[in-house]
Amino acid sequence: GQSLEQPSEVTAVEGAIVQINCTYQTSGFYGLSWYQQHDGGAPTFLSYNALDGLEETGRFSSFLSRSDSYGYLLLQELQMKDSASYFCAVIPGWGKLQFGAGTQVVVTP
Amino acid sequence: GAVVSQHPSWVICKSGTSVKIECRSLDFQATTMFWYRQFPKQSLMLMATSNEGSKATYEQGVEKDKFLINHASLTLSTLTVTSAHPEDSSFYICSASLDDNQPQHFGDGTRLSIL
Repeated sequence: GQSLEQPSEVTAVEGAIVQINCTYQTSGFYGLSWYQQHDGGAPTFLSYNALDGLEETGRFSSFLSRSDSYGYLLLQELQMKDSASYFCAVIPGWGKLQFGAGTQVVVTP
Repeated sequence: GAVVSQHPSWVICKSGTSVKIECRSLDFQATTMFWYRQFPKQSLMLMATSNEGSKATYEQGVEKDKFLINHASLTLSTLTVTSAHPEDSSFYICSASLDDNQPQHFGDGTRLSIL
């Protein structure tokens, strides 16, 4: 079957570093995306990895290993506003997105 | 680039009403748009793929006569929830991408509440 696994919740203090892992099993693979969603809002695109390696965008970085069917999102210098749900999503083909269940990140003072 | 606009943001209406939600790609042409539904504390579930100039492709378990999709132009797709009932209350979100296998960008979503 097709599945994406990511932790349900992560709690960390301001200024800390959080890594959200995502493992996937899909029938096709074109890339791994990460989205942030605050309560009541729509998902916001964070990053996309089509090739192996690390992509850095400011405080957020995303990594992909296609051979391991694994990726992660790294949140550095955590801020209170980073409290949100984070979804990994695979593009298996045909333009579709398949989402993980989401990781609730809770940032504490 | 890749801005997607969705309207309306909120809808509250009586049971039995049909509700139309619009999704527009503002700065690019999208031959394909996607419609998702999200219940509280859950992930996004793909409902259907909207194809410009042709019929939408619905995911398993989604009633095509209940959720009518029209993609009449390269920048506009509409989702009509027909004869809505309280169980249709949800957060509906559309998305589009520049290319089939590129990241999708989402509209702001429509929160639908059926009384």
